[in-house]
Amino acid sequence: NAGVMQNPRHLVRRRGQEARLRCSPMKGHSHVYWYRQLPEEGLKFMVYLQKENIIDESGMPKERFSAEFPKEGPSILRIQQVVRGDSAAYFCASSLTSGGALEQFFGPGTRLTVL
Amino acid sequence: KNQVEQSPQSLIILEEKNCTLQCNYTVSPFSNLRWYKQDTGRGPVSLTIMTFSENTKSNGRYTATLDADTKQSSLHITASQLSDSASYICVVSGLSSGNTGKLIFGQGTTLQVKP
Repeated sequence: NAGVMQNPRHLVRRRGQEARLRCSPMKGHSHVYWYRQLPEEGLKFMVYLQKENIIDESGMPKERFSAEFPKEGPSILRIQQVVRGDSAAYFCASSLTSGGALEQFFGPGTRLTVL
Repeated sequence: KNQVEQSPQSLIILEEKNCTLQCNYTVSPFSNLRWYKQDTGRGPVSLTIMTFSENTKSNGRYTATLDADTKQSSLHITASQLSDSASYICVVSGLSSGNTGKLIFGQGTTLQVKP
C-alpha cells in the first residue's frame, strides 16, 4: 500500500508565476490536509478537504492560494503569482476519516523555491 | 492563543545514551497529543498518539508521557541510535478544531546522536 505521494518534490518558480502542488492520498483515504513549513519554523495548517469539498480553510492566505480535491485525481494546492515569501516546504497528509485521535499520514513534501 | 512549546530547541547526545524531550501546550479544550519524528527532507512520521485519558504510551525505544492537568508531555528515547537523529515534533489537536483533525505543531527539538 503506497503512502501519501506528492509531486513534484522540488519546484522552482520565478516571482509572478503559478505553482501547482499535487498530493495523492493513501489508498482508501478521502481526507486530505495541507500544511506549510517555512524555513526554521514548525508546520502550520492550511486547509482540510474531503472529496469535492473544502471543510476548513482557516489557515489559507486569503489571496493567491486555492486548494481542491476533485472526485477523481489528486488534491491540488495552487499558488498564483508566487512571491519570495511563498518559498517553503508544503506537506500533504491524509487520513481514513477525520477527527479524534485518528492518525494523519504525511507525504514527503514539495519544496517550493521562488526566485 | 493556542500554542505548543518544545524544549530544548536542539540536543546533542552520544550513541546509546537516553534523552528526554519536553512539550508544554496551552491548547484547550484538548483532544489528543502526538509526537512525530521528521527526518531532514522528509515528512513527519507518527511515533505516538495519546488522548487526555492516557498517561503513557510506548513505541519501541520511544516512550511518551502526558499530564493533562499541567498540560505537559515528554518523549523519552532509550538507548539512542544514530538513526534517531531527526527533529521531534509535539503536535496537539484541540476539541475546538470541530473534529476537523486540524493539528497544532510545536517548533520541534532537533536531536543529533553522535557516535
